[in-house]
Amino acid sequence: EVQLVQSGAEVQKPGESLRISCKTSGYSFTSFWIAWVRQMPGKGLEWMGIIYPDDSDTRYSPSFQGQVTFSVDKSISTAYLQWSSLKASDTAIYYCARIRRGGIAVAELAFWGQGTRVTVSA
Amino acid sequence: EIVLTQSPGTLSLSPGERATLSCRASQSVDYSFLAWYQQKPGQAPRLLIYAASSRATGIPDRFSGSGSGTDFTLTIRRLEPEDFAVYYCQQYGSFPLTFGGGTKVEIK
Repeated sequence: EVQLVQSGAEVQKPGESLRISCKTSGYSFTSFWIAWVRQMPGKGLEWMGIIYPDDSDTRYSPSFQGQVTFSVDKSISTAYLQWSSLKASDTAIYYCARIRRGGIAVAELAFWGQGTRVTVSA
Repeated sequence: EIVLTQSPGTLSLSPGERATLSCRASQSVDYSFLAWYQQKPGQAPRLLIYAASSRATGIPDRFSGSGSGTDFTLTIRRLEPEDFAVYYCQQYGSFPLTFGGGTKVEIK
């Protein structure tokens, strides 16, 4: 069974750094692109970008380029989303999701993590 | 960037009725690479339809998708109580991938 399990809720102050995780299981981690999706409070879904765990090839949406960093640890089948300096506007739920088909960057998101709520407040 | 506009914003219907949701793209979606997702409160989105008209694994056949180019439709043939939720379309034909703003299907 494919599973994506995300790390728990975070409360951080503006300017702090943060890394959240998405631990996967039930499939070959290096064969499927993983996407990150933001959902701000009461709002819709925003596609942030994708990463290919095999070689860490990464594509960011222009809206998020330079604002966040994607990474992976192949040894533990885990993807990460990190910020170097959080802003209040980063307050949102962040989802990781796996592309449905192997080896293809642009495809539908068939498997989702449960989401990580990030709150940034002074 | 392709902008997806979903309409209506809210659809008020009764169980058993038919729901028709629209997703219009600002430019043609390559290869009809359009997906639909369902999201219930406090839950992650769930893939319903991909490639405009293919149902994802385990999705009941009361859900169907159609369309091409710039106009796409999600139809729920007979609404069940568990279908009341927010629905999003997403295009993956070109970078950056984008989502529509969502349609809320609520109980009338």
